[in-house]
Amino acid sequence: DSGVTQTPKHLITATGQRVTLRCSPRSGDLSVYWYQQSLDQGLQFLIQYYNGEERAKGNILERFSAQQFPDLHSELNLSSLELGDSALYFCASNMGEGTDTQYFGPGTRLTVL
Amino acid sequence: DQQVKQNSPSLSVQEGRISILNCDYTNSMFDYFLWYKKYPAEGPTFLISISSIKDKNEDGRFTVFLNKSAKHLSLHIVPSQPGDSAVYFCAASAVFGNEKLTFGTGTRLTIIP
Repeated sequence: DSGVTQTPKHLITATGQRVTLRCSPRSGDLSVYWYQQSLDQGLQFLIQYYNGEERAKGNILERFSAQQFPDLHSELNLSSLELGDSALYFCASNMGEGTDTQYFGPGTRLTVL
Repeated sequence: DQQVKQNSPSLSVQEGRISILNCDYTNSMFDYFLWYKKYPAEGPTFLISISSIKDKNEDGRFTVFLNKSAKHLSLHIVPSQPGDSAVYFCAASAVFGNEKLTFGTGTRLTIIP
């Protein structure tokens, strides 16, 4: 158990809908990262937050947004969902300093029908 | 553009023998490299890392080798055990850029008893 929790574990929804994925980082970690893993692909970095502020952005679609709250949990919002958004979404956390190891949650599997 | 490549999608090794997983990268700004292990329905788990100032790092049965001139790294597992069966991801970061990780597509390692 990495100490990072993600909810829900599974999510099935329809095209055009909007969903929110939630992540609680390890106790004491200030930085949260979101990654997307599509079928047979590596994990693709989406976005990083550090202590409530956006720190880095990857290939995140405009239909996707994220935020980190004062209690340091983070939410990833996916809107106008398309079939191609079906994927595993992972959250990771660390102290946000240099080479700190990123600890991953178990992921949320999103299926868009 | 796949900046981190794992060209072998799968590898089978007899229990007790050496497993060698390979990874190539193209971005010369990468200076920190990691291996993660992933079991089904779980998030990636950190295994071992290496900084670009070293060419080898060892942790128990796991050794990572880095060849900067060839932009190549490898993970050696000796001796291989059935519990090592998992998907292994190579990842890289440019520490002095930001902390995001760029992942390879993974190699599925199967240890044959």
